Amino acid sequence: DQQVKQNSPSLSVQEGRISILNCDYTNSMFDYFLWYKKYPAEGPTFLISISSIKDKNEDGRFTVFLNKSAKHLSLHIVPSQPGDSAVYFCAASAHYGGSQGNLIFGKGTKLSVKP
Amino acid sequence: DGGITQSPKYLFRKEGQNVTLSCEQNLNHDAMYWYRQDPGQGLRLIYYSQIVNDFQKGDIAEGYSVSREKKESFPLTVTSAQKNPTAFYLCASSNRFYEQYFGPGTRLTVT
Repeated sequence: DQQVKQNSPSLSVQEGRISILNCDYTNSMFDYFLWYKKYPAEGPTFLISISSIKDKNEDGRFTVFLNKSAKHLSLHIVPSQPGDSAVYFCAASAHYGGSQGNLIFGKGTKLSVKP
Repeated sequence: DGGITQSPKYLFRKEGQNVTLSCEQNLNHDAMYWYRQDPGQGLRLIYYSQIVNDFQKGDIAEGYSVSREKKESFPLTVTSAQKNPTAFYLCASSNRFYEQYFGPGTRLTVT
């Protein structure tokens, strides 16, 4: 049973427009969420994170929104650039007994930004 | 330069052979992880280690083994018991379970 779901396997966006990548989760114990970016044949790189005590976190062109009641988070990239073309993974973890649990990853969304 | 190295980048083995994938980090991180990625799949956790001389099974540990004799090193052995060993293997490290930093990966092909 997938605890972290990225229901769109792919997304195509025009350069300069907004990219919105979505992620849903089922475990209400998750309290920390991360986005990773991955190019083919390379390791993922950390992009941005958000704690459950917040509903928004911004870093340059990247903003993550968290809607706890809907168990949904989204990553907004504005403006989108061709170099943003990659696979984006959503990940989540829960705090158990004084320590943070393992990261649970979604299956990823492949973003293509067209010039 | 601090980082995580995995070697080799590409590895080819015959079915029935054990193979060991290397992972080294100089970030002084306590925790290290091994993941497997298959096409169209997310990252699935194989093993993790929070401190030296201790490690725990992840979600798909069958057919794999690890050791953690040094803080910097966390090698993964893919044994002949692993039914579908061909995959992209990723090693990561962190000081907490929050942001994990990944190596470049090893593509293992078993024929």
